Amino acid sequence: EAGVAQSPRYKIIEKRQSVAFWCNPISGHATLYWYQQILGQGPKLLIQFQNNGVVDDSQLPKDRFSAERLKGVDSTLKIQPAKLEDSAVYLCASSRNRASTDTQYFGPGTRLTVL
Amino acid sequence: KQEVTQIPAALSVPEGENLVLNCSFTDSAIYNLQWFRQDPGKGLTSLLLIQSSQREQTSGRLNASLDKSSGRSTLYIAASQPGDSATYLCAVRPHSGGYQKVTFGTGTKLQVIP
Repeated sequence: EAGVAQSPRYKIIEKRQSVAFWCNPISGHATLYWYQQILGQGPKLLIQFQNNGVVDDSQLPKDRFSAERLKGVDSTLKIQPAKLEDSAVYLCASSRNRASTDTQYFGPGTRLTVL
Repeated sequence: KQEVTQIPAALSVPEGENLVLNCSFTDSAIYNLQWFRQDPGKGLTSLLLIQSSQREQTSGRLNASLDKSSGRSTLYIAASQPGDSATYLCAVRPHSGGYQKVTFGTGTKLQVIP
């Protein structure tokens, strides 16, 4: 079974530029998560999708971050414009459903550096 | 608001030693607690998941315990190996009923020295 795929793996941009990350979840997984992990901290949930609908985006900085999951499969996370404090690893995860017993499977992450 | 703390932030042990990683959470009304491993440049891998009704879970050399009333969980690693070197994260899911958002701890970075 293929895992969660993310691209790019690394990205370096200057502040005020825009950037987009892509995630392909495990086939058949209905729930998709985007996390932000700042160095030395645990992952923080940015947004959670159930199929192509948003379940939770309470911690997403909506003035600069946006995400979509078209057709309930792949997802993109965009930052526009980027700030220095956005430097982090962005992790995508998926699970079969959002039930409490469903394990989340994580992708390798995208490391973003904002200069 | 649930807060999850892991102490120590970093730990270095010689190969073969048994060790314990700690996870504390402020709200005991949890549904389950999960331990993950994170290798450098990689995503998280689930190690053990303990439901709130359970006291412990075991997988190979790993044993995770849960004391909900005191807001604590421990991950015991027996006979540590250099391959165990990684960052270990615990994550807490609130009690069932409606939407449940997972809260992660800050992690413990473990180094096992050959």
